[in-house]
Amino acid sequence: AQSVAQPEDQVNVAEGNPLTVKCTYSVSGNPYLFWYVQYPNRGLQFLLKYITGDNLVKGSYGFEAEFNKSQTSFHLKKPSALVSDSALYFCAVRDWNTGTASKLTFGTGTRLQVTL
Amino acid sequence: DAGVTQSPTHLIKTRGQQVTLRCSPISGHKSVSWYQQVLGQGPQFIFQYYEKEERGRGNFPDRFSARQFPNYSSELNVNALLLGDSALYLCASSGQGTDTQYFGPGTRLTVL
Repeated sequence: AQSVAQPEDQVNVAEGNPLTVKCTYSVSGNPYLFWYVQYPNRGLQFLLKYITGDNLVKGSYGFEAEFNKSQTSFHLKKPSALVSDSALYFCAVRDWNTGTASKLTFGTGTRLQVTL
Repeated sequence: DAGVTQSPTHLIKTRGQQVTLRCSPISGHKSVSWYQQVLGQGPQFIFQYYEKEERGRGNFPDRFSARQFPNYSSELNVNALLLGDSALYLCASSGQGTDTQYFGPGTRLTVL
């Protein structure tokens, strides 16, 4: 079965410092990987995805993610955190065991807290 | 352009009742998926519809059903509500040839 793991429930970082939110994956096919962000009482907002190609993927709002096949990881990064980045972040993988359905399997989420 | 829209925003029901949630995809998107997000967890896949046909179903009981209309909007129905059905129900749409799903704001269902 496809799965992703987010080992940290919460990440704390000071504004202006770099941030990393960790994600590891387990898939039996090609790893289509995604990051989404969720603000309070809101739906999920797409940040970026890895399908194929360069291991460093750039996304919205200055976020990027590094795909590492040998470590089966897809960590989300940002060089300089903003207080407004404080939110819940989800890593997700496309599940290939659903026939023709394009199903996403999500991690449990990591709460990012950026302080002044 | 308008994103994915969902209605209603909030809903309160009692156990045993039935509920219908609605979703309108991004214009041009023919695929709609439904997810359930229980507080403190990641979203769980319920259904996907494409061109009005069910493409996939998650591990949910038959009390959950859905359909897609000719204009690609969708409804999710839940019968015989249980307390455990209390959650944020998310709808997502995606365009042809892409795996990127764009989510709506969700409907928060509370079952008392």
